[in-house]
Amino acid sequence: AQRVTQPEKLLSVFKGAPVELKCNYSYSGSPELFWYVQYSRQRLQLLLRHISRESIKGFTADLNKGETSFHLKKPFAQEEDSAMYYCALQEGGATNKLIFGTGTLLAVQP
Amino acid sequence: EAQVTQNPRYLITVTGKKLTVTCSQNMNHEYMSWYRQDPGLGLRQIYYSMNVEVTDKGDVPEGYKVSRKEKRNFPLILESPSPNQTSLYFCASSLGHAGGAFYGYTFGSGTRLTVV
Repeated sequence: AQRVTQPEKLLSVFKGAPVELKCNYSYSGSPELFWYVQYSRQRLQLLLRHISRESIKGFTADLNKGETSFHLKKPFAQEEDSAMYYCALQEGGATNKLIFGTGTLLAVQP
Repeated sequence: EAQVTQNPRYLITVTGKKLTVTCSQNMNHEYMSWYRQDPGLGLRQIYYSMNVEVTDKGDVPEGYKVSRKEKRNFPLILESPSPNQTSLYFCASSLGHAGGAFYGYTFGSGTRLTVV
């Protein structure tokens, strides 16, 4: 069955330190993967899609099919990056179903 | 402004009293979906709709109903709410696929439901 695993519930770093939020997936086909961010008391926002190979707010994520991973990285964390981050996998076919991981809370300390 | 609008934002109700959470999008999206978010469980899909009059169950559909009579609206109906349906609910819509890639979902602000 398709699954998205985010092993860390909480990641605490200091401002300026590198950040890596882990995401592993299990999927038999070609995955489409996303990172969503949820700031305190706000809606989920799409941060980036792997197919776009873009960098948003300094974050990047590379799809590693061999390791079935899609880790989110940022070289220098900012306090405003503190939020809940969700990795999601789009299930193939017509359903457009997104399967979410359980999320990682990133806390950036001053 | 392109957005997904949910109402109400907060709702406290009693067990068994029917309620409807409304969802509307102004982006002419074909795909819409309802998720619930619970601590430690992330987001789980309740129902989704691929177009008008086309709906199907997600992972946790029990106790919920939906309808899609118009493209822009996708209400979530709880016929007889129970305390285990206390949760944060998100409606989402999507353009779907383009060029072989999925656009992803745009989410509403959420509805925090408490059933006592």
